[in-house]
Amino acid sequence: NAGVMQNPRHLVRRRGQEARLRCSPMKGHSHVYWYRQLPEEGLKFMVYLQKENIIDESGMPKERFSAEFPKEGPSILRIQQVVRGDSAAYFCASSPDGNNSPLHFGNGTRLTVT
Amino acid sequence: SQQGEEDPQALSIQEGENATMNCSYKTSINNLQWYRQNSGRGLVHLILIRSNEREKHSGRLRVTLDTSKKSSSLLITASRAADTASYFCATSPMDSNYQLIWGAGTKLIIKP
Repeated sequence: NAGVMQNPRHLVRRRGQEARLRCSPMKGHSHVYWYRQLPEEGLKFMVYLQKENIIDESGMPKERFSAEFPKEGPSILRIQQVVRGDSAAYFCASSPDGNNSPLHFGNGTRLTVT
Repeated sequence: SQQGEEDPQALSIQEGENATMNCSYKTSINNLQWYRQNSGRGLVHLILIRSNEREKHSGRLRVTLDTSKKSSSLLITASRAADTASYFCATSPMDSNYQLIWGAGTKLIIKP
């Protein structure tokens, strides 16, 4: 049973380009969370999705950032017109339900904006 | 906002010693979870303790929860070099069935 898969592991973008981060949850998990982490810091919540629905996007900037979790395929975190301040590690986690279950994390995508 | 606060921020001990990390939080919770993060990797769930539990064990890990003080501790006994990692607590607030509030973590270094 494969764990949470994130790709790419490393992504380099120039300022103004788009970054597209993908996350395939564990098999059977229909709840996905996206977090952002700066070096030596904790996790900052961005968005919580269930299949085809955004449940809570309160941690995600309203401009340039969007997330989706379609019926088929991985969850996508999209950052348009990236700026240097977007450089961070972005982690995806999944759970089988939203009932405060333990989260299963991917190994993250490290985004570097040059 | 982050309500969990771990202390110490960093801890360096000799292999074989015990390591204790603490977590404090502010609101009423459903449960409290501890996670480990190795450098450059995702977080791994270690243990979950519910609000009506006071102590829980898993292998070399022992977690306590004091809801009156709104605090928890994670004890790792007989530490090994492989325990070197950052450790995070996450609280599940009573008024939410999906949120987790994360602390900034304790960086643990085990010296061989």
